[in-house]
Amino acid sequence: AQSVSQHNHHVILSEAASLELGCNYSYGGTVNLFWYVQYPGQHLQLLLKYFSGDPLVKGIKGFEAEFIKSKFSFNLRKPSVQWSDTAEYFCAVNAGGAGRRALTFGSGTRLQVQP
Amino acid sequence: EAGVAQSPRYKIIEKRQSVAFWCNPISGHATLYWYQQILGQGPKLLIQFQNNGVVDDSQLPKDRFSAERLKGVDSTLKIQPAKLEDSAVYLCASSLEGGGREFFGPGTRLTVL
Repeated sequence: AQSVSQHNHHVILSEAASLELGCNYSYGGTVNLFWYVQYPGQHLQLLLKYFSGDPLVKGIKGFEAEFIKSKFSFNLRKPSVQWSDTAEYFCAVNAGGAGRRALTFGSGTRLQVQP
Repeated sequence: EAGVAQSPRYKIIEKRQSVAFWCNPISGHATLYWYQQILGQGPKLLIQFQNNGVVDDSQLPKDRFSAERLKGVDSTLKIQPAKLEDSAVYLCASSLEGGGREFFGPGTRLTVL
C-alpha cells in the first residue's frame, strides 16, 4: 500500500521568505505526484502535478516541486512567499500506469505567512 | 466550467441517526471518489467509482457506510447509524479517468453529537 509523509505540520514564515515543504512517499511502482492547496474557507485545488518527464515541475502562483526518485521525495518550493499563500498544503500520490487508483494524501502542512 | 457540487454543506446530527450526502461530479467525468477528512488529517479514500461500478471500497466501513452511483453520474453517500468518530468533512471528487487529476467539491462538514 502507498503512504505519504509530510514532516512539517505547521510552518510560520514572514513575507518574502523562501519556502520548502517536505514530502516523502512509499510505493514501489510508477507514481503520479500532486500538491493540493486549501485556502481558508475554500475547497482543495491542484497546485501542481508530476506524471512523467522533467522532474522539476512548475505550478500556479510561483510554486514548483522537484521529484527525486532515489529519495522518494516530491518537495514543494517557492522562492518568496506572500501573505496570500497562507493555506494548508497536501502532498498526494496515486499509482501511475494501469493502476488508476485514487489519491493517497499526506497529513498536510499548515502554512502561516505573517505580513 | 462547473465544478463538483455537493450538498448539504453542513450537517449536525445525533449519534445513531442516519445521514446522506449528495454529489454531482463534473460533466463527463467517469470516475468519482468519496473521501473522509478528519480534522488535522489528510483526506482518506472511502470509495472510488468508475462510471457506476465500484473500483475500490476497501476502506469503507461497510457495516454503517454505503454509497451508490446510479446511472454513472450523481452519487450519494449514507451513514447509518452515525457514530461520534464519523465527525469529519466528506469530500467528493471526480476525474476524467482513474489515476488522473482529481477535482474536488467544497465538502460536507458533518458533526455527530
